[in-house]
Amino acid sequence: AQTVTQSQPEMSVQEAETVTLSCTYDTSESDYYLFWYKQPPSRQMILVIRQEAYKQQNATENRFSVNFQKAAKSFSLKISDSQLGDAAMYFCAYRKTSYDKVIFGPGTSLSVIP
Amino acid sequence: EAQVTQNPRYLITVTGKKLTVTCSQNMNHEYMSWYRQDPGLGLRQIYYSMNVEVTDKGDVPEGYKVSRKEKRNFPLILESPSPNQTSLYFCASSLSWQGQETQYFGPGTRLLVL
Repeated sequence: AQTVTQSQPEMSVQEAETVTLSCTYDTSESDYYLFWYKQPPSRQMILVIRQEAYKQQNATENRFSVNFQKAAKSFSLKISDSQLGDAAMYFCAYRKTSYDKVIFGPGTSLSVIP
Repeated sequence: EAQVTQNPRYLITVTGKKLTVTCSQNMNHEYMSWYRQDPGLGLRQIYYSMNVEVTDKGDVPEGYKVSRKEKRNFPLILESPSPNQTSLYFCASSLSWQGQETQYFGPGTRLLVL
């Protein structure tokens, strides 16, 4: 069965600095999708970034980028120039390409220090 | 505005009193899903639906029911709620069940079962 692990329950970063959140997953599939979701205090779930496993190039969205290491089954999220609004819970998620459920990790709570 | 709506947003009930949490999307999405979020566990899928009249169990379906009679609605039914169903519930939808599709989440329903 697929599992998603986030080994850092809590992280903190100084405003304007860079932080990396870790995610590892377990799967026997070769094609799949990985996601990072942000959940601010409002509890709304917001998609931050998505990575297709068949693409070697790491996805980027403005200040957010990923380091996708397929062989190591690692999918870390890098936030550059951290802002106060980045403070949130971040969830890593996995989904097979075919009909299947989405599996979420337990989350990492990120604090941004002014 | 494209959105997923859930009602109610907050609910306090007592053990055994049947309740329904409604979910509606206005994006003509085929795929809809219910999750529960608990501290340290991330989001776990309860049920999902690939289209009208097509539903299937997720990871934690016990104690829940769903139905998909219309494309836009996917209510979650707790026939006899118990305290271990106290949680934050999210409804989500995506254009299809394909792995690359982005899921759009509702605002969440916080349920307390006494």
